[in-house]
Amino acid sequence: GQNIDQPTEMTATEGAIVQINCTYQTSGFNGLFWYQQHAGEAPTFLSYNVLDGLEEKGRFSSFLSRSKGYSYLLLKELQMKDSASYLCAVRDGDYKLSFGAGTTVTVRA
Amino acid sequence: TAGITQAPTSQILAAGRSMTLRCTQDMRHNAMYWYRQDLGLGLRLIHYSNTAGTTGKGEVPDGYSVSRANTDDFPLTLASAVPSQTSVYFCASSEYGTGGTDTQYFGPGTRLTVL
Repeated sequence: GQNIDQPTEMTATEGAIVQINCTYQTSGFNGLFWYQQHAGEAPTFLSYNVLDGLEEKGRFSSFLSRSKGYSYLLLKELQMKDSASYLCAVRDGDYKLSFGAGTTVTVRA
Repeated sequence: TAGITQAPTSQILAAGRSMTLRCTQDMRHNAMYWYRQDLGLGLRLIHYSNTAGTTGKGEVPDGYSVSRANTDDFPLTLASAVPSQTSVYFCASSEYGTGGTDTQYFGPGTRLTVL
């Protein structure tokens, strides 16, 4: 089976930076996704990495190291609306997504 | 465009009853998926369809069935519901096979309670 680990919860202050780590062990690798999910809502796509390195998209950046089975999502200049769950998902050799349990980020004023 | 719609939004179902969760997409995506999301477990794949007319089993298929008669619709049926099927069900779709990132896009979900 697939094994995707990420912290359960993180808390940060408005305006600060938070880094959410994700480690994975999967059968094959065809890309890593980060999704944001507000309480009671659907997951929405944030970022995609398939090659090693950093992908930047506004206040959000995602990093991938395939050799280490490691990714992180960096949220900068945190805003209250960033309070949500962040899901790490890996696409395996069968081209199916396996999700981590999610990291709940709470932004405090 | 609506993207992906799911119905019903929520449902309370007696154990042993059958139910079909509906999912429709208007993006002409090839692939569609059904997930369940349970606290502490994340999203788990139930069934998928890479193209109309084909379906496959995911990680947790037991107790569920699907069909894909056309591109737009992908219903999920519980033949005889059990309390362990209480969950939030998300339908998703992706382009699949077009050479892009094949990002999956999710519907709003159906909250199902089996008593």
